[in-house]
Amino acid sequence: AQSVTQLGSHVSVSEGALVLLRCNYSSSVPPYLFWYVQYPNQGLQLLLKYTSAATLVKGINGFEAEFKKSETSFHLTKPSAHMSDAAEYFCAVLNFGNEKLTFGTGTRLTIIP
Amino acid sequence: NAGVTQTPKFRVLKTGQSMTLLCAQDMNHEYMYWYRQDPGMGLRLIHYSVGEGTTAKGEVPDGYNVSRLKKQNFLLGLESAAPSQTSVYFCASTPSPGQGPYEQYFGPGTRLTVT
Repeated sequence: AQSVTQLGSHVSVSEGALVLLRCNYSSSVPPYLFWYVQYPNQGLQLLLKYTSAATLVKGINGFEAEFKKSETSFHLTKPSAHMSDAAEYFCAVLNFGNEKLTFGTGTRLTIIP
Repeated sequence: NAGVTQTPKFRVLKTGQSMTLLCAQDMNHEYMYWYRQDPGMGLRLIHYSVGEGTTAKGEVPDGYNVSRLKKQNFLLGLESAAPSQTSVYFCASTPSPGQGPYEQYFGPGTRLTVT
């Protein structure tokens, strides 16, 4: 079964600094991977997805992620953090056939003014 | 186009009471899902449906039942609520395999407290 692991349940960065949120996957087949964002008291919104095309994926709000098969990683980055980026971020892997998503435990991002 | 909607947004139950959460989608999606979100545990799949009239168990199905009588609706029932079911519940939907875009579309959530 496919799974993802998010390292760091809480990450704090200064406004304007690089954001790096880590996600490693485990899969016996080429994975489809996703990053979702959840703002306070809201549902989940798709940031970006990897579906076996380009390994560098660009998403909304200036975020991007790079699929690295050799490292089984799909880390999320943003060059310059904004206060509006404060939220919880979830990495997920798709299970083919029933289209089930398996989520990581989430990383809460705090932006320091 | 409302996307995925959930009713109610908030609910407080006493232990032993029952209730039904309603999820509706207007995107003609085939697959629908119910998740619960608890601090530090991410989202865990309760039940899902791959089409009208079908349901299947997810990762944490105990204490819940579901029904998909109409394609656009997916109901989650708690027959006898327990404090351990205090959580935020999310519904999601997606087109069937092969139709892309493989992402799930989420509702705004229902915050349930069982006292």
